[in-house]
Amino acid sequence: QKEVEQDPGPLSVPEGAIVSLNCTYSNSAFQYFMWYRQYSRKGPELLMYTYSSGNKEDGRFTAQVDKSSKYISLFIRDSQPSDSATYLCAMSDGDMRFGAGTRLTVKP
Amino acid sequence: DSGVTQTPKHLITATGQRVTLRCSPRSGDLSVYWYQQSLDQGLQFLIQYYNGEERAKGNILERFSAQQFPDLHSELNLSSLELGDSALYFCASSVVGDSNQPQHFGDGTRLSIL
Repeated sequence: QKEVEQDPGPLSVPEGAIVSLNCTYSNSAFQYFMWYRQYSRKGPELLMYTYSSGNKEDGRFTAQVDKSSKYISLFIRDSQPSDSATYLCAMSDGDMRFGAGTRLTVKP
Repeated sequence: DSGVTQTPKHLITATGQRVTLRCSPRSGDLSVYWYQQSLDQGLQFLIQYYNGEERAKGNILERFSAQQFPDLHSELNLSSLELGDSALYFCASSVVGDSNQPQHFGDGTRLSIL
């Protein structure tokens, strides 16, 4: 079993939809949680950075961490075609681990 | 623009050859990380340097080596290349050596082995 599990998708939604992206993990020592967005032929770009449990909102993006369930989510409201990318979760206990990434397509 | 610069963008070479990938971290960042990304493996951590010293080592093959120079730029050397080494190689940087801090990625070097 991998330490970080992320459904690779692909996920296709219509423009304006609410998107939910998720990761589960097995290491209870993870304290720092991140979401990265990666466009084709580009490097991962940091979207959200959170510590421990709770929610964090930034514009159309909301990150949720539920440490009791070992589950993190990224919600994208009013999704746009420009949100089409691969989304990677990452988490750290002093060493960073990445999920495999979920490929998202938002159709106009 | 993350501020992390990687050169070259593309490399095409043959099996058995040696290549060097270069990374300049964001201004002020002391730590550099190297990752390999292939279609079936996702992002695999290779090695981390902090202020010139090796800080952590991941799944880096013995044929691969890296170093960080006094001006904080880093180079990843890949030798005796095999077809399976074809991948995207990313460099990331962060302010400190603590991997709990977010990392900022360059746009990678695409290595193709023929």
